[in-house]
Amino acid sequence: SQQGEEDPQALSIQEGENATMNCSYKTSINNLQWYRQNSGRGLVHLILIRSNEREKHSGRLRVTLDTSKKSSSLLITASRAADTASYFCATALASGGSYIPTFGRGTSLIVHP
Amino acid sequence: DSGVTQTPKHLITATGQRVTLRCSPRSGDLSVYWYQQSLDQGLQFLIQYYNGEERAKGNILERFSAQQFPDLHSELNLSSLELGDSALYFCASSVTVADYGYTFGSGTRLTVV
Repeated sequence: SQQGEEDPQALSIQEGENATMNCSYKTSINNLQWYRQNSGRGLVHLILIRSNEREKHSGRLRVTLDTSKKSSSLLITASRAADTASYFCATALASGGSYIPTFGRGTSLIVHP
Repeated sequence: DSGVTQTPKHLITATGQRVTLRCSPRSGDLSVYWYQQSLDQGLQFLIQYYNGEERAKGNILERFSAQQFPDLHSELNLSSLELGDSALYFCASSVTVADYGYTFGSGTRLTVV
């Protein structure tokens, strides 16, 4: 089952515009992570936000977390064609003494030059 | 290069066959996670190993098995392959079983014909 669900499923914008993706999750978390996947490639970790943080920045990325609503958003500012990729949120579910990163279905972002 | 090595990158095989996918974790990482990514199911967790022992199991079919060897590399064995097993198979590694710090390989694309 999916722990996180991203919204929208697909997003198409022009270069220079901002892109906002949302993620909802079901259980309480210690942190939430965002990953990027270029077509057919591996996932690359972008940013981690802890449950006691409300906002975090990394370059052109801004992540917010609202634990009361069990939701997070990823904002990419001044998007570039190279930002075209799928973006996933992930939370780590406790399982048998381990934590298992569990992903939503992702948001497919297309940035037109 | 993420430091997690998966081989082969591509594999084409016939239904009913058996294949082995290999993952070498990042140097120093003791934990390995296997995922299956298909268009309709998203990124599904299969199984996790930590320092040679199975720690968590997800939606892994009985036809699939895995192990982690003393040198910490892991193999995922898929048998009696069906068309529906066609997917990208990823492995990720982390230092411990904590809820952060996952590094993904670039995946093996399996096509069953």
